[in-house]
Amino acid sequence: GAVVSQHPSWVICKSGTSVKIECRSLDFQATTMFWYRQFPKQSLMLMATSNEGSKATYEQGVEKDKFLINHASLTLSTLTVTSAHPEDSSFYICSAGQGTGGPRTTDTQYFGPGTRLTVL
Amino acid sequence: DQQVKQNSPSLSVQEGRISILNCDYTNSMFDYFLWYKKYPAEGPTFLISISSIKDKNEDGRFTVFLNKSAKHLSLHIVPSQPGDSAVYFCAASPRGAQKLVFGQGTRLTINP
Repeated sequence: GAVVSQHPSWVICKSGTSVKIECRSLDFQATTMFWYRQFPKQSLMLMATSNEGSKATYEQGVEKDKFLINHASLTLSTLTVTSAHPEDSSFYICSAGQGTGGPRTTDTQYFGPGTRLTVL
Repeated sequence: DQQVKQNSPSLSVQEGRISILNCDYTNSMFDYFLWYKKYPAEGPTFLISISSIKDKNEDGRFTVFLNKSAKHLSLHIVPSQPGDSAVYFCAASPRGAQKLVFGQGTRLTINP
């Protein structure tokens, strides 16, 4: 099946620094990638949707200047948490969609293993 | 506002029996529903989906039922196997949109 990787799998950083998380689709081209955030014992919350070559669409309440998303190619999207603070500590997970990128008919989102971010 | 709810955080079932996982939603704009399975340290993997024009979809041991009037869906696993032990998330997609809205997940444990 389709494989999506994330790097790093975990990161610890100091408050005020920026952290970049990579999401790669290894064996397919992803026209759309999604970034989610999960707090302990809570659901995955969609942060933004990115299409290759265009600006990301952010969900309500998500600061686009704080969470920079770049989808430079059909196999790579990056999420940069700028000036990270302890409240940004969370589990960040990406997914990649084939075809039109939506969860319809043959389209499904393939998820990466996630990145655990801890901000001290 | 939790639009997709899985009210049971955990469920324990004996091997060979039926596992029933439940999910409720509030948004009438949702028209496509999915179930994902997640093992520790891995991303969710797609299990089965159902469109709102159907009330049942079956794939091997997995069956998803949709009751639109009650805004309720369920996943049935029969017979349950030890390898089914994982966290199960239901998700819903609004009409005309690509986004997925997830429930909180239910941890299923299959006991030998």
